[in-house]
Amino acid sequence: GENVEQHPSTLSVQEGDSAVIKCTYSDSASNYFPWYKQELGKRPQLIIDIRSNVGEKKDQRIAVTLNKTAKHFSLHITETQPEDSAVYFCAASIWDTGRRALTFGSGTRLQVQP
Amino acid sequence: DTEVTQTPKHLVMGMTNKKSLKCEQHMGHRAMYWYKQKAKKPPELMFVYSYEKLSINESVPSRFSPECPNSSLLNLHLHALQPEDSALYLCASSPIRLLSYNEQFFGPGTRLTVL
Repeated sequence: GENVEQHPSTLSVQEGDSAVIKCTYSDSASNYFPWYKQELGKRPQLIIDIRSNVGEKKDQRIAVTLNKTAKHFSLHITETQPEDSAVYFCAASIWDTGRRALTFGSGTRLQVQP
Repeated sequence: DTEVTQTPKHLVMGMTNKKSLKCEQHMGHRAMYWYKQKAKKPPELMFVYSYEKLSINESVPSRFSPECPNSSLLNLHLHALQPEDSALYLCASSPIRLLSYNEQFFGPGTRLTVL
């Protein structure tokens, strides 16, 4: 089955700096890669996703890049703000007629220091 | 309605109790999921329903019994649980669109404590 590794496990940055979180996956058939943000005691919320036919996607201060050859994808947050502090999970899935499930990375706790 | 809702928010039960968790969505999503999340860990998939049929069971113990009575509702029946089953139980749903990708939306979760 799919295995997703995520690094770093914790990340502390100063407000205004950039943050980068990296994930690798094992199954070359995976074709959908979402990122979720989970604040303490709250539900995971989808913040951005990327499909396998795209190399990069940007939404305001958040961007995701995908390298299918190397089987890794990254989340980039620019101009970080204290409200970006949360746990971030990457995930991967294979979208076919049978299986519709996400395999999550282990999570990155991002702390943005004011 | 653009949310997944879950009840109850918190549940404390003894090992001999029988209880149920409920999940509801009115977004027309035909795939629904149960995940279990322990503290400081990612969600772990338990069950997937597609078109109200169980399509994936990730080798979950039989003390957890899912049910999908209709396209909007998903239940998780609990019986004879163990203290190690204490966790946040998350429900999610996603649309099923052919030849496309389908985002999963999570409910707020039920925090379960087994005494």
